[in-house]
Amino acid sequence: RKEVEQDPGPFNVPEGATVAFNCTYSNSASQSFFWYRQDCRKEPKLLMSVYSSGNEDGRFTAQLNRASQYISLLIRDSKLSDSATYLCVVLNSNYQLIWGAGTKLIIKP
Amino acid sequence: DAGVIQSPRHEVTEMGQEVTLRCKPISGHDYLFWYRQTMMRGLELLIYFNNNVPIDDSGMPEDRFSAKMPNASFSTLKIQPSEPRDSAVYFCASSRRGGNTEAFFGQGTRLTVV
Repeated sequence: RKEVEQDPGPFNVPEGATVAFNCTYSNSASQSFFWYRQDCRKEPKLLMSVYSSGNEDGRFTAQLNRASQYISLLIRDSKLSDSATYLCVVLNSNYQLIWGAGTKLIIKP
Repeated sequence: DAGVIQSPRHEVTEMGQEVTLRCKPISGHDYLFWYRQTMMRGLELLIYFNNNVPIDDSGMPEDRFSAKMPNASFSTLKIQPSEPRDSAVYFCASSRRGGNTEAFFGQGTRLTVV
């Protein structure tokens, strides 16, 4: 089992819809959690950190569920420009950054 | 700041040749990471440095791969000899304080070994 797992997708979503995807992690002592966004043929860029209490940044909401060992990303009122691959990143107890393989999101007009 | 700078952006080489990838991290960042990304395996950490010292190279696939950081503003990843299975996008990233802070990526080097 991989230490960080994501549904690879693609998620095909109409513009304006709400979409959510999860990322599960196996190391219960993991410390920090992040969502990165990667556009096609570009480098990953930080989208948002994920805090224990959950956090929101505009249309994006990230949540952490330590009991079930997953983090989630919710995108409301999706835009065409949200089309990208979303990478889940976990800092484990060995202070290693472990990257998920990414979830591909396609927003359709 | 110009961000993390990698060169070359694209490299096509023949099997058996030596390949050197270069990276200039963001000034003031103490951590430098080398990653490899392929469709099959996703983003893999190869090695990272803290204050120019290699900390964890457990991700380096084999002895054909080596990385150096002679000073705070420059790092290289060398593959010798290169093989077709090394074809991938290689990213360099830097961060201010390591794993729990934002990593800034360069634009990557797309390596093709034929």
